[in-house]
Amino acid sequence: ELKVEQNPLFLSMQEGKNYTIYCNYSTTSDRLYWYRQDPGKSLESLFVLLSNGAVKQEGRLMASLDTKARLSTLHITAAVHDLSATYFCAVDKGAQKLVFGQGTRLTINP
Amino acid sequence: DVKVTQSSRYLVKRTGEKVFLECVQDMDHENMFWYRQDPGLGLRLIYFSYDVKMKEKGDIPEGYSVSREKKERFSLILESASTNQTSMYLCASSFRIGQPNQPQHFGDGTRLSIL
Repeated sequence: ELKVEQNPLFLSMQEGKNYTIYCNYSTTSDRLYWYRQDPGKSLESLFVLLSNGAVKQEGRLMASLDTKARLSTLHITAAVHDLSATYFCAVDKGAQKLVFGQGTRLTINP
Repeated sequence: DVKVTQSSRYLVKRTGEKVFLECVQDMDHENMFWYRQDPGLGLRLIYFSYDVKMKEKGDIPEGYSVSREKKERFSLILESASTNQTSMYLCASSFRIGQPNQPQHFGDGTRLSIL
């Protein structure tokens, strides 16, 4: 059974700092997705990672995938308040059936 | 932009009632999904469908059924609502299985309370 674990689950950081959210999963997959959710809102797609070594960047966010280590990271550079949200990783266990992590609630303080 | 529309944002029902949650997408997506979201558990897949009149069980199908009579519409049915089905329900859609570079697109969710 595929299990997806995010770390940390809660993260409070100051503007301007860098930090990384980790997503570990238990069985082989080469398709991983990152989503963002604002309070009371739907999930917004951030990145689609489809192969080992894939790296995607958008603004202050960068995501990477290491399928051998079964690990994806979401790196935040020079955080700003607008990035406060809950971030989810989701692993495809086949045919687009996604297993989600618990979510990381990120709060960025001025 | 893809639009996934869920019929209700908030819904309150009573134990034992039959409950229908409706979802419509406007992008001609083949795949549609129903998830529930609970604090600390992330999203869990209830049912999904790859085509009209097709349905497959997800990870937590017990107590639920689905209906897909038209390509754009996917309904989630709680046959006899129970308090442990109080949750946020999210619908999603995506292109066919052969296009993994396309993410699933989500609706705004229905917060369902069973009293």
